[in-house]
Amino acid sequence: QVQLQESGPGLVKPSQTLSLICSVSGGSINTRDYYWSWLRQSPGKGLEWLGYIYYSGTTHYNPSLESRLTISMDTSNNQFSLILTSVTAADTAVYYCARDVSTSWTKWFDPWGQGLLVTVSS
Amino acid sequence: DIQMTQSPSSLSASVGDRVTITCRASQTISSYLNWYQQKSGNAPKLLIYAASKLQSGVPSRFTGRGAGTGFTLTINSVQPDDFAVYYCQQSYTTPRTFGGGTRVE
Repeated sequence: QVQLQESGPGLVKPSQTLSLICSVSGGSINTRDYYWSWLRQSPGKGLEWLGYIYYSGTTHYNPSLESRLTISMDTSNNQFSLILTSVTAADTAVYYCARDVSTSWTKWFDPWGQGLLVTVSS
Repeated sequence: DIQMTQSPSSLSASVGDRVTITCRASQTISSYLNWYQQKSGNAPKLLIYAASKLQSGVPSRFTGRGAGTGFTLTINSVQPDDFAVYYCQQSYTTPRTFGGGTRVE
């Protein structure tokens, strides 16, 4: 079965760039069957969808973050990544990657990675 | 953005109780509504998709209903493993949005 695992720094300084990787095992990300999403969860904003990438490289971002967010994929390593620029304390959250199942009649996130706590602090 | 409002924000239940959580969307989302369960320290886990479809492996005591703007998640005969936080999420349009959660304690 497909499993996802987030990796990256747990601490980032304000104004710097956050980079995270999601490693996928048990299935290829280079498939038209799924999208691949990033989400985050913070006490202040709850669960928030950040954006997704499709096997073709097509991306779609949450407008609230679009100017600072880039999602890309590395099919050779079966990974996709998140880059968030100019971070502030408001970006402190647990970051999740998830498989984004989209059919013609519904969509859902399953499975999710275990999550990675990222703290923005000097 | 579509706003998702859950109620109550928390509820107290005993093993064997029947509990119902409500989720309301700020505009119609057809049946594009999912429910997730999250236990402390873990990622959310999909319970129900398309408002009423039970995800594989999820016990049948979980039931989802609704369409349009109003939805419910019912747990028939709460079990010790069910004490957690439950979230609804709309997938009708982007950005996908979540409710604020309901803690069952």
